[in-house]
Amino acid sequence: GAVVSQHPSRVICKSGTSVKIECRSLDFQATTMFWYRQFPKQSLMLMATSNEGSKATYEQGVEKDKFLINHASLTLSTLTVTSAHPEDSSFYICSARDAGGPSYEQYFGPGTRLTVT
Amino acid sequence: AQSVTQLDSQVPVFEEAPVELRCNYSSSVSVYLFWYVQYPNQGLQLLLKYLSGSTLVKGINGFEAEFNKSQTSFHLRKPSVHISDTAEYFCAVSPNFGNEKLTFGTGTRLTIIP
Repeated sequence: GAVVSQHPSRVICKSGTSVKIECRSLDFQATTMFWYRQFPKQSLMLMATSNEGSKATYEQGVEKDKFLINHASLTLSTLTVTSAHPEDSSFYICSARDAGGPSYEQYFGPGTRLTVT
Repeated sequence: AQSVTQLDSQVPVFEEAPVELRCNYSSSVSVYLFWYVQYPNQGLQLLLKYLSGSTLVKGINGFEAEFNKSQTSFHLRKPSVHISDTAEYFCAVSPNFGNEKLTFGTGTRLTIIP
């Protein structure tokens, strides 16, 4: 079945540094990937939609200069949290849509736990 | 715009008892409906989905859900739960005309009591 991986699964970084999270579709091509953020005991909030070869579309209230998204290939999207601060600590989850599959189907990665100290 | 309401944030159930997790939605257009399960520190796994047709949909792990258009509900049910069903369950909705953004509910924590 369709598998999405994320790397790293956990990362701890110091305040002011940047951290990159990778999202890969392992056995399918994904023209569209989504990035979500989940706070403890809360739901997933869509941050941005990433389309291969074009600029990401950010949801209202999400700082595009802080959360840089790159979707350079059909199997890889990256989220870079720039100048991270403790309030950026969260669980980040990506999902991917199979380019050859139905438009409603999203496959989720296992998530990345970011802790900013 | 769509919204999803999951009325119960936590549901404790004894093992082998039935369970219903409630989900209501609001939308000005026709929608697709989904239930996802999230185990601790993991991503989301699709349990089942309603796209069209029969209002009763069956999913993995013995779960089923019924779409009720008049009540704008999509409640999730299982006739007999197991310890392994302990997890967070999310109801989600997306428009059915090509805008594929998912809107999630706040989740229901299902705890199975031995």
